[in-house]
Amino acid sequence: DAKTTQPTSMDCAEGRAANLPCNHSTISGNEYVYWYRQIHSQGPQYIIHGLKNNETNEMASLIITEDRKSSTLILPHATLRDTAVYYCIVRVAGWGNEKLTFGTGTRLTIIP
Amino acid sequence: GAVVSQHPSWVICKSGTSVKIECRSLDFQATTMFWYRQFPKQSLMLMATSNEGSKATYEQGVEKDKFLINHASLTLSTLTVTSAHPEDSSFYICSADRAMRETGELFFGEGSRLTVL
Repeated sequence: DAKTTQPTSMDCAEGRAANLPCNHSTISGNEYVYWYRQIHSQGPQYIIHGLKNNETNEMASLIITEDRKSSTLILPHATLRDTAVYYCIVRVAGWGNEKLTFGTGTRLTIIP
Repeated sequence: GAVVSQHPSWVICKSGTSVKIECRSLDFQATTMFWYRQFPKQSLMLMATSNEGSKATYEQGVEKDKFLINHASLTLSTLTVTSAHPEDSSFYICSADRAMRETGELFFGEGSRLTVL
Protein backbone atom coordinates (compact mmCIF):
# COMPACT_ATOMS: atom_id res chain seq x y z
CA ASP A 1 0.00 0.00 0.00
CA ALA A 2 1.08 3.56 -0.72
CA LYS A 3 2.44 5.38 2.31
CA THR A 4 1.19 8.78 1.23
CA THR A 5 -2.14 10.55 0.88
CA GLN A 6 -2.84 13.35 -1.55
CA PRO A 7 -5.93 15.27 -2.66
CA THR A 8 -7.51 13.68 -5.69
CA SER A 9 -7.55 16.82 -7.79
CA MET A 10 -6.67 20.50 -7.75
CA ASP A 11 -7.03 23.48 -10.06
CA CYS A 12 -4.62 26.37 -10.35
CA ALA A 13 -4.70 29.52 -12.46
CA GLU A 14 -2.01 29.88 -15.06
CA GLY A 15 0.87 32.01 -13.80
CA ARG A 16 0.05 31.43 -10.14
CA ALA A 17 1.92 29.18 -7.74
CA ALA A 18 0.57 25.66 -7.48
CA ASN A 19 0.90 24.15 -4.01
CA LEU A 20 0.39 20.41 -3.86
CA PRO A 21 0.18 18.87 -0.37
CA CYS A 22 1.12 15.37 0.67
CA ASN A 23 0.76 13.53 3.97
CA HIS A 24 3.26 10.83 4.91
CA SER A 25 2.71 10.45 8.63
CA THR A 26 4.36 7.01 8.85
CA ILE A 27 7.58 8.00 7.09
CA SER A 28 10.72 6.36 8.44
CA GLY A 29 13.90 8.19 9.34
CA ASN A 30 15.77 6.91 6.29
CA GLU A 31 13.00 7.50 3.77
CA TYR A 32 13.12 10.34 1.31
CA VAL A 33 10.13 12.15 -0.15
CA TYR A 34 10.05 11.99 -3.95
CA TRP A 35 7.77 13.82 -6.34
CA TYR A 36 7.03 12.64 -9.84
CA ARG A 37 4.49 13.77 -12.38
CA GLN A 38 2.85 12.00 -15.27
CA ILE A 39 1.55 13.80 -18.27
CA HIS A 40 -1.10 11.90 -20.16
CA SER A 41 0.18 8.75 -21.89
CA GLN A 42 3.79 9.31 -20.88
CA GLY A 43 6.11 7.76 -18.33
CA PRO A 44 6.50 9.49 -14.95
CA GLN A 45 8.93 12.39 -14.82
CA TYR A 46 11.13 13.02 -11.80
CA ILE A 47 10.61 16.44 -10.23
CA ILE A 48 12.41 16.70 -6.92
CA HIS A 49 13.15 14.86 -3.71
CA GLY A 50 14.30 15.62 -0.18
CA LEU A 51 14.99 14.11 3.21
CA LYS A 52 14.31 16.83 5.76
CA ASN A 53 15.60 20.12 4.38
CA ASN A 54 13.65 22.18 1.91
CA GLU A 55 14.84 21.71 -1.65
CA THR A 56 14.62 23.77 -4.81
CA ASN A 57 15.53 23.06 -8.39
CA GLU A 58 14.66 24.49 -11.77
CA MET A 59 11.28 22.80 -11.77
CA ALA A 60 9.93 23.18 -8.27
CA SER A 61 10.43 23.65 -4.56
CA LEU A 62 9.82 21.04 -1.89
CA ILE A 63 8.86 22.09 1.61
CA ILE A 64 9.03 19.35 4.25
CA THR A 65 7.61 19.95 7.72
CA GLU A 66 9.92 19.69 10.68
CA ASP A 67 8.29 16.45 11.86
CA ARG A 68 8.52 15.15 8.26
CA LYS A 69 4.92 13.97 8.35
CA SER A 70 3.89 16.12 5.45
CA SER A 71 5.31 18.07 2.55
CA THR A 72 4.27 20.51 -0.15
CA LEU A 73 5.42 20.67 -3.73
CA ILE A 74 5.41 24.19 -5.13
CA LEU A 75 5.38 25.01 -8.82
CA PRO A 76 6.14 28.72 -8.63
CA HIS A 77 4.58 29.91 -11.89
CA ALA A 78 2.29 27.25 -13.26
CA THR A 79 1.87 26.92 -17.01
CA LEU A 80 -0.60 24.90 -19.03
CA ARG A 81 2.12 22.29 -19.60
CA ASP A 82 2.15 21.60 -15.86
CA THR A 83 -1.26 19.93 -16.16
CA ALA A 84 -0.53 16.37 -15.04
CA VAL A 85 -0.98 13.84 -12.26
CA TYR A 86 1.51 14.49 -9.46
CA TYR A 87 2.68 11.63 -7.27
CA CYS A 88 4.25 11.97 -3.84
CA ILE A 89 6.22 8.88 -2.85
CA VAL A 90 8.41 7.91 0.08
CA ARG A 91 11.36 5.65 -0.53
CA VAL A 92 14.70 4.73 0.94
CA ALA A 93 17.56 6.07 -1.16
CA GLY A 94 20.99 4.57 -1.52
CA TRP A 95 22.05 1.02 -2.21
CA GLY A 96 19.48 -1.63 -2.79
CA ASN A 97 16.45 -2.12 -4.96
CA GLU A 98 13.69 -0.49 -2.99
CA LYS A 99 10.62 -0.29 -5.14
CA LEU A 100 8.59 2.81 -5.79
CA THR A 101 4.94 2.41 -4.85
CA PHE A 102 2.56 4.86 -6.43
CA GLY A 103 -0.57 6.13 -4.73
CA THR A 104 -3.45 7.73 -6.54
CA GLY A 105 -1.72 11.09 -6.95
CA THR A 106 -3.20 14.56 -7.45
CA ARG A 107 -4.59 15.50 -10.83
CA LEU A 108 -3.52 19.13 -11.27
CA THR A 109 -5.31 21.17 -13.88
CA ILE A 110 -3.92 24.55 -14.85
CA ILE A 111 -6.67 26.92 -15.85
CA PRO A 112 -5.93 29.52 -18.56
CA GLY B 1 20.19 13.32 -17.60
CA ALA B 2 19.76 9.59 -17.49
CA VAL B 3 17.51 8.18 -20.19
CA VAL B 4 15.44 5.04 -20.22
CA SER B 5 13.99 3.94 -23.52
CA GLN B 6 11.16 1.54 -24.17
CA HIS B 7 10.31 -0.21 -27.40
CA PRO B 8 7.83 -0.45 -28.94
CA SER B 9 5.88 2.65 -27.94
CA TRP B 10 2.68 0.96 -28.95
CA VAL B 11 1.72 -2.43 -30.24
CA ILE B 12 -1.47 -4.07 -31.43
CA CYS B 13 -1.67 -7.83 -31.47
CA LYS B 14 -4.16 -10.62 -31.85
CA SER B 15 -5.42 -12.57 -28.89
CA GLY B 16 -3.24 -15.59 -28.16
CA THR B 17 -0.01 -14.14 -29.46
CA SER B 18 3.00 -13.09 -27.39
CA VAL B 19 4.44 -9.60 -27.25
CA LYS B 20 7.89 -8.53 -26.09
CA ILE B 21 8.61 -5.07 -24.70
CA GLU B 22 12.18 -3.87 -24.25
CA CYS B 23 13.48 -1.46 -21.64
CA ARG B 24 16.95 -0.03 -22.07
CA SER B 25 19.01 2.29 -19.93
CA LEU B 26 20.87 4.38 -22.47
CA ASP B 27 23.63 6.09 -20.53
CA PHE B 28 23.93 4.23 -17.27
CA GLN B 29 23.98 0.72 -15.89
CA ALA B 30 20.87 -0.47 -14.12
CA THR B 31 21.22 -3.32 -11.68
CA THR B 32 17.50 -3.18 -11.00
CA MET B 33 14.59 -2.43 -13.28
CA PHE B 34 10.93 -2.27 -12.36
CA TRP B 35 7.92 -3.05 -14.51
CA TYR B 36 4.61 -1.29 -13.98
CA ARG B 37 1.20 -1.58 -15.55
CA GLN B 38 -1.31 1.23 -15.76
CA PHE B 39 -4.96 0.96 -16.73
CA PRO B 40 -6.91 4.04 -17.90
CA LYS B 41 -7.47 6.65 -15.20
CA GLN B 42 -5.61 4.53 -12.64
CA SER B 43 -2.24 4.79 -10.95
CA LEU B 44 0.82 2.75 -11.81
CA MET B 45 0.80 -0.75 -10.37
CA LEU B 46 4.11 -2.47 -9.79
CA MET B 47 4.26 -5.84 -11.49
CA ALA B 48 7.76 -7.06 -10.81
CA THR B 49 11.29 -6.17 -9.85
CA SER B 50 13.93 -7.29 -12.30
CA ASN B 51 17.50 -7.81 -11.13
CA GLU B 52 20.35 -8.33 -13.56
CA GLY B 53 21.41 -11.93 -13.74
CA SER B 54 18.73 -13.32 -11.45
CA LYS B 55 15.06 -14.18 -11.49
CA ALA B 56 12.53 -11.42 -11.25
CA THR B 57 10.48 -10.88 -8.12
CA TYR B 58 6.78 -10.63 -8.88
CA GLU B 59 4.18 -8.74 -6.90
CA GLN B 60 1.29 -10.63 -5.44
CA GLY B 61 -1.33 -11.46 -8.03
CA VAL B 62 0.98 -11.12 -11.04
CA GLU B 63 1.39 -14.36 -12.98
CA LYS B 64 5.06 -14.99 -13.57
CA ASP B 65 4.36 -17.50 -16.34
CA LYS B 66 2.27 -14.97 -18.20
CA PHE B 67 4.56 -11.98 -17.77
CA LEU B 68 8.06 -13.24 -18.48
CA ILE B 69 10.84 -10.90 -17.44
CA ASN B 70 14.45 -11.22 -18.50
CA HIS B 71 17.24 -8.93 -17.32
CA ALA B 72 20.23 -10.35 -19.11
CA SER B 73 22.45 -7.28 -19.04
CA LEU B 74 22.91 -4.11 -17.04
CA THR B 75 21.24 -2.06 -19.75
CA LEU B 76 18.37 -4.24 -20.95
CA SER B 77 15.30 -5.81 -19.42
CA THR B 78 12.47 -7.36 -21.41
CA LEU B 79 8.86 -8.06 -20.54
CA THR B 80 7.07 -10.70 -22.61
CA VAL B 81 3.30 -10.92 -22.36
CA THR B 82 2.56 -14.50 -23.31
CA SER B 83 -0.70 -15.62 -24.87
CA ALA B 84 -2.06 -12.12 -24.63
CA HIS B 85 -5.77 -11.53 -24.11
CA PRO B 86 -7.84 -8.34 -24.36
CA GLU B 87 -7.69 -7.88 -20.58
CA ASP B 88 -3.90 -7.56 -20.89
CA SER B 89 -4.39 -4.36 -22.88
CA SER B 90 -2.69 -1.70 -20.82
CA PHE B 91 0.11 0.85 -20.62
CA TYR B 92 3.33 -0.86 -19.53
CA ILE B 93 6.08 1.27 -18.05
CA CYS B 94 9.58 0.36 -16.94
CA SER B 95 11.94 2.18 -14.65
CA ALA B 96 15.63 1.73 -14.05
CA ASP B 97 17.66 2.12 -10.91
CA ARG B 98 21.13 3.45 -11.53
CA ALA B 99 23.95 1.39 -10.08
CA MET B 100 25.91 3.30 -7.45
CA ARG B 101 23.28 5.98 -7.49
CA GLU B 102 23.88 9.13 -5.60
CA THR B 103 20.42 10.55 -5.34
CA GLY B 104 18.10 7.60 -5.58
CA GLU B 105 15.63 8.75 -8.17
CA LEU B 106 14.32 6.23 -10.60
CA PHE B 107 14.24 6.96 -14.30
CA PHE B 108 11.18 5.93 -16.25
CA GLY B 109 10.69 4.90 -19.83
CA GLU B 110 8.13 6.51 -22.11
CA GLY B 111 5.78 3.57 -21.74
CA SER B 112 4.46 0.97 -24.15
CA ARG B 113 0.77 0.79 -24.95
CA LEU B 114 -0.44 -2.72 -25.67
CA THR B 115 -3.77 -3.33 -27.34
CA VAL B 116 -4.90 -6.94 -27.69
CA LEU B 117 -7.68 -7.52 -30.16
